[in-house]
Amino acid sequence: GESVGLHLPTLSVQEGDNSIINCAYSNSASDYFIWYKQESGKGPQFIIDIRSNMDKRQGQRVTVLLNKTVKHLSLQIAATQPGDSAVYFCAENPYNNAGNMLTFGGGTRLMVKP
Amino acid sequence: KAGVTQTPRYLIKTRGQQVTLSCSPISGHRSVSWYQQTPGQGLQFLFEYFSETQRNKGNFPGRFSGRQFSNSRSEMNVSTLELGDSALYLCASSLSAGPNQPQHFGDGTRLSIL
Repeated sequence: GESVGLHLPTLSVQEGDNSIINCAYSNSASDYFIWYKQESGKGPQFIIDIRSNMDKRQGQRVTVLLNKTVKHLSLQIAATQPGDSAVYFCAENPYNNAGNMLTFGGGTRLMVKP
Repeated sequence: KAGVTQTPRYLIKTRGQQVTLSCSPISGHRSVSWYQQTPGQGLQFLFEYFSETQRNKGNFPGRFSGRQFSNSRSEMNVSTLELGDSALYLCASSLSAGPNQPQHFGDGTRLSIL
């Protein structure tokens, strides 16, 4: 499978617990943020996105929180399951109206213990 | 609906050769972006195409080029391959040219340079 980083930060959680994955972004002018999940041997899979005019958005079992003051994003996964084990990336569009180019964070590996 | 399709999945080349990678976006998606993923540098933006025009380009040398066809399919080309070009090359598509569009990724082409 793909090794997306030799020294990825790792979060280890027990199955059924909630997980919180954090991300600091770089550009205070960024208007759009996305969380992706990448499993071994696969491409990044879209999880949830949020615009800068919101500070919270909920999906199925996931919640994204945006704190523009400190340029921080978090992804909360409720009732974490073994299938949630993967590398999670946050991404920002730092150029807003200039198209669809994303800047990615370094990733966090989530390991779920059964 | 089929996802983003990238071919080939694996490729082995030697230094100095050139390579062409192919991407078919999700049906109806008109914007295609390319990213390079390596363990050391993570996910980095290469370029984005919309309506057969390159809209954005990342910080990569001119050896990296791409194009988009009228059916939105895209190819990227790398000439004079170097060992450091070994990476997973990912293609992503989004619906339109708007800046805040979720990008959906294929599973990539793994390029190995010997």
